[in-house]
Amino acid sequence: GAVVSQHPSRVICKSGTSVKIECRSLDFQATTMFWYRQFPKQSLMLMATSNEGSKATYEQGVEKDKFLINHASLTLSTLTVTSAHPEDSSFYICSARRYDEQYFGPGTRLTVT
Amino acid sequence: GQQVMQIPQYQHVQEGEDFTTYCNSSTTLSNIQWYKQRPGGHPVFLIQLVKSGEVKKQKRLTFQFGEAKKNSSLHITATQTTDVGTYFCAASGSARQLTFGSGTQLTVLP
Repeated sequence: GAVVSQHPSRVICKSGTSVKIECRSLDFQATTMFWYRQFPKQSLMLMATSNEGSKATYEQGVEKDKFLINHASLTLSTLTVTSAHPEDSSFYICSARRYDEQYFGPGTRLTVT
Repeated sequence: GQQVMQIPQYQHVQEGEDFTTYCNSSTTLSNIQWYKQRPGGHPVFLIQLVKSGEVKKQKRLTFQFGEAKKNSSLHITATQTTDVGTYFCAASGSARQLTFGSGTQLTVLP
């Protein structure tokens, strides 16, 4: 149990366009989901905490208008990268909290050309 | 926010040798978690330590939480090629958000 899916797994987009990434908890409900970003050979950096039915909490330095987060249901959170630029190219990973453990999605590799 | 330092950044070992990675925090941690990330994969939860001085074992892996709850270690005995990956420690915040250490990338040479 405790499976988290992410879609798409890989996306290439042009600079200036927007990309939506979905994170789903498949077999449990998650009131809280987290979005992380990981650059090559670096650690995971928390971007924001997504709470079902309320606004996301963003970490310092993360632009809320650029990285739009919506947690419309107990099993789905979405991250939209608006007006993407090449420096936004990264590995985006979500996780869903179940009790004291976090379960990570497989990640989405975003490449902005 | 919390900061967790992790060393070493890289470790190359011969298969059968032992491996240890260390995490340190300047503040007392409520708990610490350990994750393994295979190349190209996502982090997979290994264990959570909560109590001061706690030691937990999973087969060849031994996890320790310091008495002051400011440091932790992961020790692998007799490494195997399947142990290859990056090992992260992570501290849990008030909302259960995780602050990850920088990770230790383990390479096991056959």
